[in-house]
Amino acid sequence: SAVISQKPSRDICQRGTSLTIQCQVDSQVTMMFWYRQQPGQSLTLIATANQGSEATYESGFVIDKFPISRPNLTFSTLTVSNMSPEDSSIYLCSVRLFQETQYFGPGTRLLVL
Amino acid sequence: GIQVEQSPPDLILQEGANSTLRCNFSDSVNNLQWFHQNPWGQLINLFYIPSGTKQNGRLSATTVATERYSLLYISSSQTTDSGVYFCAVNNNAGNMLTFGGGTRLMVKP
Repeated sequence: SAVISQKPSRDICQRGTSLTIQCQVDSQVTMMFWYRQQPGQSLTLIATANQGSEATYESGFVIDKFPISRPNLTFSTLTVSNMSPEDSSIYLCSVRLFQETQYFGPGTRLLVL
Repeated sequence: GIQVEQSPPDLILQEGANSTLRCNFSDSVNNLQWFHQNPWGQLINLFYIPSGTKQNGRLSATTVATERYSLLYISSSQTTDSGVYFCAVNNNAGNMLTFGGGTRLMVKP
């Protein structure tokens, strides 16, 4: 299995500001994923982050709004830029091992006022 | 893209009761997982089950890939089983896991 930690665990931010979320994994993984879970909803993939290449964004998500870094095989960051109340969600980091089981971090609960 | 539908959307059980949760998907898959999201938001892996049957304690799951559905069985439910159960799949077209809408379970003491 994989142990994933995220920082911060929660935050309250003002609109127009940006927040960077960190994700650390206890083993080297090729693919890391960032998901968003809006209140009462299911999970939606924001982007896939591979080390050494640009992140691949899903429809409806753009790099200017959600820039991602992947400097090595155990770490990634997601920035939520120019925030609005609609960005209030749980943001989850995820990794897949051995092309099978996917694991999730504890999430970052974001509230934008 | 692939569509994933879960039923029922909400379920209330008395402690000790059994239940069956269903996941239907619209295309062939090479990965299917069941997750439990606890009240604190943590997603816990329950099963990796693209086909066949698996059991883990009071939980078991069956995926019939040819008919594009999976079932999660919870027996002798406990209050700690409360939360949201998600089914997620990905197919040969890509690496992304697509999630169903979830089943929100409340087990009453």
